[in-house]
Amino acid sequence: EVQLVQSGAEVKKPGESLKISCKSSGYTFTHYWIGWVRQLPGKGLESMGIIYPHDSETRYSPSFQGQVTISADKSINTAYLQWSRLKASDTAMYYCVRLHYFETSGSNWFDPWGQGTLVTVSS
Amino acid sequence: EIVLTQSPATLSLSPGERATLSCRASQSVSSYLAWYQQRPGQAPRLLIYDASNRATGIPARFSGSRSGTDFTLTISSLEPEDFAVYYCQQRSNWLYTFGQGTKLEIK
Repeated sequence: EVQLVQSGAEVKKPGESLKISCKSSGYTFTHYWIGWVRQLPGKGLESMGIIYPHDSETRYSPSFQGQVTISADKSINTAYLQWSRLKASDTAMYYCVRLHYFETSGSNWFDPWGQGTLVTVSS
Repeated sequence: EIVLTQSPATLSLSPGERATLSCRASQSVSSYLAWYQQRPGQAPRLLIYDASNRATGIPARFSGSRSGTDFTLTISSLEPEDFAVYYCQQRSNWLYTFGQGTKLEIK
């Protein structure tokens, strides 16, 4: 069974750093892109960026470029989302997702989804 | 950037009724659009990919279709567990975007 298991909820203060994780199992980690999706409280879904663990090629959505860092450690099948200086506006649920993308056709979808990591930033 | 506009924002129906949810793309897109369901307090899950293909384990009452830049998710006969928020999603030049969601609520 393919699973993405995320690290637990975090409560941080503005200005602090944070790294959350997403551990994959049940498939070859280096064969699929992994993405991160943000959901602000009571709002919709926003794609933040994706990483290809095979070579760590990373693509960020423009809104998130420079705001976060996405990385992966293929030795332990784990992807990460990192902030150097958190803001209150980073308070949200964050999901990791496995991206199915077929370059020859452009077909793409996210499946499965991790259970989510709630990040709360408050002074 | 392609914008996906979902309508209606909220749909109020009763169990057993038919639900029709719409997702319109701002410009011509391929058929590579996906639909997701998010129940309260849960992570989203994939329902439909490539506009009309049901994901593994998704009941046959869910179906998807495309007409030009208009995509439709249809639930033929609503079950209590279908009341949730639904999102469409597509890709353009490495940018993955979601519609704003349609909330399907019990009437």
